[in-house]
Amino acid sequence: AQSVTQLGSHVSVSEGALVLLRCNYSSSVPPYLFWYVQYPNQGLQLLLKYTSAATLVKGINGFEAEFKKSETSFHLTKPSAHMSDAAEYFCAVSTNRDDKIIFGKGTRLHILP
Amino acid sequence: DAGITQSPRHKVTETGTPVTLRCHQTENHRYMYWYRQDPGHGLRLIHYSYGVKDTDKGEVSDGYSVSRSKTEDFLLTLESATSSQTSVYFCAISEGRTNTEAFFGQGTRLTVV
Repeated sequence: AQSVTQLGSHVSVSEGALVLLRCNYSSSVPPYLFWYVQYPNQGLQLLLKYTSAATLVKGINGFEAEFKKSETSFHLTKPSAHMSDAAEYFCAVSTNRDDKIIFGKGTRLHILP
Repeated sequence: DAGITQSPRHKVTETGTPVTLRCHQTENHRYMYWYRQDPGHGLRLIHYSYGVKDTDKGEVSDGYSVSRSKTEDFLLTLESATSSQTSVYFCAISEGRTNTEAFFGQGTRLTVV
């Protein structure tokens, strides 16, 4: 069965600094990978997704992620953090053998002024 | 925004009582999912459906049942609510094929006292 691990339940960065949120996956077949963001008291919305077309995926709000098969990773980055990026971020995985979408435990991003 | 409505949005119930949460979609998506969100656990899949009357268990299905008699409605039932089922419940929908993203409802906050 597939799974994802997000390293760091809380990450703090200064405004204007690089954002790096880590996600590693486990899957016996080629995965589909997603990053979602959740703002307080809201549902989740998709930031970006990897579906095997390109290893570097660009998403909304300036975020991007790179699929690295050799490292089984799909880390999320943004060159310059903004206060509005403060939220919880979830990595998720699915495959074409299984209809389930499995989420990681989430990383809460704090932006320091 | 995807047309997903969860009801009720908030509910307080007593231990041992039955509770049904409803998810309604207007997108005609094939797949529907129920997740629960708890601090430190992220989102965990309870049950999902891949068509009318077609459902399957997720990671944390004990104590929950689901039904889908129409494409647009997916019901989650707690037959006898327990305090451990206090959580925020999210419904999600997907077109199908696992390379498409899931769209989330706004969530239902359930408190079992």
